[in-house]
Amino acid sequence: DVKVTQSSRYLVKRTGEKVFLECVQDMDHENMFWYRQDPGLGLRLIYFSYDVKMKEKGDIPEGYSVSREKKERFSLILESASTNQTSMYLCASSLGQGETDTQYFGPGTRLTVL
Amino acid sequence: GQNIDQPTEMTATEGAIVQINCTYQTSGFNGLFWYQQHAGEAPTFLSYNVLDGLEEKGRFSSFLSRSKGYSYLLLKELQMKDSASYLCAVMDSNYQLIWGAGTKLIIKP
Repeated sequence: DVKVTQSSRYLVKRTGEKVFLECVQDMDHENMFWYRQDPGLGLRLIYFSYDVKMKEKGDIPEGYSVSREKKERFSLILESASTNQTSMYLCASSLGQGETDTQYFGPGTRLTVL
Repeated sequence: GQNIDQPTEMTATEGAIVQINCTYQTSGFNGLFWYQQHAGEAPTFLSYNVLDGLEEKGRFSSFLSRSKGYSYLLLKELQMKDSASYLCAVMDSNYQLIWGAGTKLIIKP
């Protein structure tokens, strides 16, 4: 079974703090993704990566950055947290294309920025 | 623009059948996914359709019509544990997933 883990289930930070969210997958997947999920909205893609040290902006990259130094690990960084970044953050990974591009999700991190 | 539409909420009775519809307009099409998401948990993969027709997996079936930009997820013999949100997602020509907002399914005894 694919396992995707995230460093925290719940996180509370203050405005202006730098926040690190870590994601690790154990299935040697090439592709990794960071989404945020807010009530009434679909999953929105923040950043994704198709390879080590490679990153691509998604639909809403502003205020975020990412790092992928190792294949299994993909980190999301909030350089200066703001209250509008309070959300559920979901990491996902996938193997390839077509049905093999099925994304497998971690348990999510619910971030509250005060 | 790209758009996925699905009902916000549906209610059904335990033991019954429910159909959750999804319509889409995307730039290209490389498959449609259905995911289940229980409250407070991560989405989990249910089905993938890339060709027209019905795919059956136990109590769950998924149908696709590419010409109509339409899919549905059919859940039979509903159980209380099927209470969850059901997310429809389409892979576009760039192999990016476009997500619907999800349909919250409430099962009543």
